[in-house]
Amino acid sequence: ETGVTQTPRHLVMGMTNKKSLKCEQHLGHNAMYWYKQSAKKPLELMFVYNFKEQTENNSVPSRFSPECPNSSHLFLHLHTLQPEDSALYLCASSRAGGSGGFRTDTQYFGPGTRLTVL
Amino acid sequence: SQQGEEDPQALSIQEGENATMNCSYKTSINNLQWYRQNSGRGLVHLILIRSNEREKHSGRLRVTLDTSKKSSSLLITASRAADTASYFCALRNAGGTSYGKLTFGQGTILTVHP
Repeated sequence: ETGVTQTPRHLVMGMTNKKSLKCEQHLGHNAMYWYKQSAKKPLELMFVYNFKEQTENNSVPSRFSPECPNSSHLFLHLHTLQPEDSALYLCASSRAGGSGGFRTDTQYFGPGTRLTVL
Repeated sequence: SQQGEEDPQALSIQEGENATMNCSYKTSINNLQWYRQNSGRGLVHLILIRSNEREKHSGRLRVTLDTSKKSSSLLITASRAADTASYFCALRNAGGTSYGKLTFGQGTILTVHP
């Protein structure tokens, strides 16, 4: 978990609120990821950024809006969420390299944000 | 894209015993990785095995890969109470447009009793 930080660690929000999750990596990586982890479900990849460009959007509802201003920071903006969006949201980073693609040989995860939507 | 299927879903053992977890998958992979997650925390990478490798070791961990059977196993020897966690296999598929993406299984919950 060292090297990737996430804030806040816990968040409770109402369905009409707007909030943002923040992720920062200090590993010099240039690929960053958002995952959603719900009880009794596999880890779900939400978004992938490679060199600040979004390269994957896994059919995520528009109430989740990612932002990657630079290779070290990743945000997930939340608005008008539903109770079923309550989950652990994990950020990860990895080294990217090679033309035409990138290698995600190892991903380094942050501690996650536990989100509860009331 | 495919995900790995871990088996068993839960495993309970005594300290000092060995723990074996399995992961099966359906299509071709570039590599397979094992991660560990303590309750409510982030995942920690344990070991990566490439498709042209059959076995890898790291401390008390031993991973095998059988690409003909499309399966991998993680063995933890001489388990300790601190090994209690969820263990996930993650697949990096070979080729395709989703190159570079890891797909995680549902995990095996390991409990090691002191």
